[in-house]
This record gives sequence, structure tokens and C-alpha cells, in this order.
Amino acid sequence: DQQVKQNSPSLSVQEGRISILNCDYTNSMFDYFLWYKKYPAEGPTFLISISSIKDKNEDGRFTVFLNKSAKHLSLHIVPSQPGDSAVYFCAASVSRRYMRFGAGTRLTVKP
Amino acid sequence: SQTIHQWPATLVQPVGSPLSLECTVEGTSNPNLYWYRQAAGRGLQLLFYSVGIGQISSEVPQNLSASRPQDRQFILSSKKLLLSDSGFYLCAWSGLRRDSPLHFGNGTRLTVT
Repeated sequence: DQQVKQNSPSLSVQEGRISILNCDYTNSMFDYFLWYKKYPAEGPTFLISISSIKDKNEDGRFTVFLNKSAKHLSLHIVPSQPGDSAVYFCAASVSRRYMRFGAGTRLTVKP
Repeated sequence: SQTIHQWPATLVQPVGSPLSLECTVEGTSNPNLYWYRQAAGRGLQLLFYSVGIGQISSEVPQNLSASRPQDRQFILSSKKLLLSDSGFYLCAWSGLRRDSPLHFGNGTRLTVT
């Protein structure tokens, strides 16, 4: 079931510019949203999260925005760095058991 | 600090052979433990979830099983592998707080031939 969708399989940006990764969900019961970053041959690492009671959460260069009416969240990375090149997964949950992941977006940051 | 160990990193097994993947967590007690699978081009699919020793919840019917013989040990098994079992298997743990994120191991790349 595609309850969490990342419609862009890949994204390429120039170093120093903004990277915007998008995610859409269909289940209105989701109330906790996360972004994970994954390098090849490694497990995903937790990046940033947001609760449904907020519409923005910021951590350094990373900001997550949540638009509940549109069932849409996005991850902004400013400024983008070559080390940010990885696959990014968004995830949404009602409980930790019921966490659903998107298919991922491969971000390439060009020097 | 907490760490999670998963092995082996890669595995090639023939169809019909058994499987055993092991995962251990250090630095925390009574974690929630998970097995996920990532098939090519797809998101992470939850396979099993455990809140305590001997307590396993299965998310999808399949020829895989999981066991938790100790508090910080989680094992994924199969008696007979299928070609469709190929994929990237990830073990993860989380704390007890509702907003505790998942922390993943480095995964096992399983190829069934």
C-alpha cells in the first residue's frame, strides 16, 4: 500500500543551493513524520522529525515543513553540500508499529 | 551510547536453503525491535515487530519468521528461501517513548539464487 509517496526518485542540485525533497501521504491518521538519510551499504540514519501539531521544525541546515491540509511534507536543506548526497526516505506513523516509508529520493549535490 | 549490530553484511543463498540473520543492540534495555526489508526501488517494509522477549508481531504473511530469545537480540529466519526473498534486510530499534525514532543497523544484502 502506497500510503507514503515520494514521487521524485532523484534530485540533482548545485552545491550551496537549496535542496527540496517532497513527500505526500494519504492516511490522515498519521501524526508523526520523519526523514531518514541513507548512504549505500548502510542502514538509514534518522535526520529530523515533526509532530502533526507543528508545521515546521528546524535543525541546522535541515528544515521540515508539514502541510496537513495537503497531506504533504518537505525537507529543505540549505545550503546543500556534496556530503548530503544520499537517498532520503520520508516516513509517517500513527504508532511506531504502524510506520510507513516512502520509496526514497536520491539526492546528488554537485560541487 | 546505543549501538546496533547486524550480520552478515551480504549473503548469497540458493533457493530452498535456510536463513538466519542476527541483530543485537547494546547500550539500552528493553528496546522495541524491528525487521524491515527494502526491495529494489521500493520503500522500507516492516516485517516483524517486538516489544519484549518472546513477543513477536508479524506485519505480512510470508515464509519468514522472527524470534527474540534475549532482550537485545532479534533473529530473522526462514526454513526455505524463495527467489522473492532477495532484498536488503534491516534491523532497527527504538526507545519506549512514542516519539522515539527508529535506529537502523547497516543491513544485510540477501541474494537468493
